[in-house]
Amino acid sequence: GNSVTQMEGPVTLSEEAFLTINCTYTATGYPSLFWYVQYPGEGLQLLLKATKADDKGSNKGFEATYRKETTSFHLEKGSVQVSDSAVYFCALTVPGAGGTSYGKLTFGQGTILTVHP
Amino acid sequence: SQTIHQWPATLVQPVGSPLSLECTVEGTSNPNLYWYRQAAGRGLQLLFYSVGIGQISSEVPQNLSASRPQDRQFILSSKKLLLSDSGFYLCATDPSGGYTFGSGTRLTVV
Repeated sequence: GNSVTQMEGPVTLSEEAFLTINCTYTATGYPSLFWYVQYPGEGLQLLLKATKADDKGSNKGFEATYRKETTSFHLEKGSVQVSDSAVYFCALTVPGAGGTSYGKLTFGQGTILTVHP
Repeated sequence: SQTIHQWPATLVQPVGSPLSLECTVEGTSNPNLYWYRQAAGRGLQLLFYSVGIGQISSEVPQNLSASRPQDRQFILSSKKLLLSDSGFYLCATDPSGGYTFGSGTRLTVV
């Protein structure tokens, strides 16, 4: 089956610090990889994604590279802000057989990030 | 672009009471629809998905059920809530591999 493992949290950083949240996966088939962010009291928002090996997803200063050889998709940001405080979820989906577009998302357990001024 | 509407945003229900959470989708036709639950301190778990009207697949055995009476409507229900049903429920659609989530319903069973 498919699974996603994220680094244990919570993570607490000072503003402008460097952020890394590790994510590794196992999957049957060729997955697409995602990072979602959940701000306090809100639903999930797609932060970035990558659909094939060596792709780099990026958004809002965050980056993650699809590493097939290490089955990883680590999230990084060079300088975090207080407004980045949220829960971050790594996820994957394996597109359905026969060309169907749907694929059930498998999530990691989430990592709580708190950034202090 | 797709928009998902979920309501209510928060709900407090007593044990043994019924539940109905509604999700509607705009901006797409014949969408794949999903219900996820996020229990306290845990990740998201897929509960149900639907690829069309009246077509429901359940991912985990539970006290909940889902229905899809119309193309863009997805309903999560329970006849009798349990304490363990508390959590954050998210509806989602998958127009082309990029999921869009609703804002969620936080259910507390007391």
